[in-house]
Amino acid sequence: AQKVTQAQTEISVVEKEDVTLDCVYETRDTTYYLFWYKQPPSGELVFLIRRNSFDEQNEISGRYSWNFQKSTSSFNFTITASQVVDSAVYFCALSEAGNFGNEKLTFGTGTRLTIIP
Amino acid sequence: DSGVTQTPKHLITATGQRVTLRCSPRSGDLSVYWYQQSLDQGLQFLIQYYNGEERAKGNILERFSAQQFPDLHSELNLSSLELGDSALYFCASSYERGGTDTQYFGPGTRLTVL
Repeated sequence: AQKVTQAQTEISVVEKEDVTLDCVYETRDTTYYLFWYKQPPSGELVFLIRRNSFDEQNEISGRYSWNFQKSTSSFNFTITASQVVDSAVYFCALSEAGNFGNEKLTFGTGTRLTIIP
Repeated sequence: DSGVTQTPKHLITATGQRVTLRCSPRSGDLSVYWYQQSLDQGLQFLIQYYNGEERAKGNILERFSAQQFPDLHSELNLSSLELGDSALYFCASSYERGGTDTQYFGPGTRLTVL
């Protein structure tokens, strides 16, 4: 069965500090997809990134970067020079693409990030 | 704005009642997913439809049902409501039925059962 673990329940950092959110996943499939979503205080779920299991290249998008390591089954998310607008709950999620009818997202429990001005 | 719409935004009702949540997917998307977010269970997958047909079921209670209509909008019906059904219900949509496609989420419907 697939599982996503976000061990950090809450993190608080001072604005402009860098912060890394951890995500560890479990799956028996060789083909799978990993995602990060952001849930700001307004409540919606905002898609941030998708990564497939065959692409271990790290990705950078502005102040956001992601580190995917299959060897440790981790997909960590780093925010550089954090801003107050980054305050939100961040979810890591897993989808097993190999099996038809099994495209559901399995979410971690989320990490609540608070940026202190 | 993800392009997925959900109505109503808020719903307050009493135990034992029945409600219907509505979702319109992004233009062109064929798959619709329903998720429940509650404090004790977190974000959980309920059910998926693809082009009008049920494709996968998750932790959906028998009191809950869903359907996807020919115009691809979907409805989630919740009946015999209990206090524990209070939650944020999300709809998501994607184009392909495989896990290769990203699911985009609507703003959610917050259900409060009193």
